[in-house]
Amino acid sequence: AQSVTQLDSQVPVFEEAPVELRCNYSSSVSVYLFWYVQYPNQGLQLLLKYLSGSTLVKGINGFEAEFNKSQTSFHLRKPSVHISDTAEYFCVLHVSGGYNKLIFGAGTRLAVHP
Amino acid sequence: ETGVTQTPRHLVMGMTNKKSLKCEQHLGHNAMYWYKQSAKKPLELMFVYNFKEQTENNSVPSRFSPECPNSSHLFLHLHTLQPEDSALYLCASSQDLGTSGETQYFGPGTRLLVL
Repeated sequence: AQSVTQLDSQVPVFEEAPVELRCNYSSSVSVYLFWYVQYPNQGLQLLLKYLSGSTLVKGINGFEAEFNKSQTSFHLRKPSVHISDTAEYFCVLHVSGGYNKLIFGAGTRLAVHP
Repeated sequence: ETGVTQTPRHLVMGMTNKKSLKCEQHLGHNAMYWYKQSAKKPLELMFVYNFKEQTENNSVPSRFSPECPNSSHLFLHLHTLQPEDSALYLCASSQDLGTSGETQYFGPGTRLLVL
């Protein structure tokens, strides 16, 4: 069975500091991986996705993630966060070859403080 | 603005009421989804429609009844709900099913409170 584990439920950080949100997945088949962001009182928005090719994926708002197959991880990073990055971040898995069914992690709440 | 709209944004209903949630996508997509987002739980897929046909019902209680009259509109009819059904209900769409790695586009959600 496939699963996604987000290792931190909350990550507090000061403005302009770097941040890493951790995600591990479990799957016996090839997967595609996504990070979605949910700002307060809004729906989910795609930050970035890994399908194939380069394991370093760049997304919107200065975020990037690295796919590591040996460690089954897809951690999200940003070198310098802003107050506006305060949101809930979801790591999401899609099993390749199957229909478009997404498996969501529980989410990590990023709180950026001044 | 993702091209997916949902109405109403907030809804309070009693357990004996009947109400409907509406979702509309302006992206020309063929697949639409209903998700439930409860506090402290991962998003749960409820229903999937492709070209107006339901392709998945994820063991959802019958008090939730979906309707997809065309590829652009999706409804969720609610009746005799329970307080534990209080949640954020999210609608999403994608170009198609079966295309691996395809992005789903989400609406802003309807915040439902059942009293």
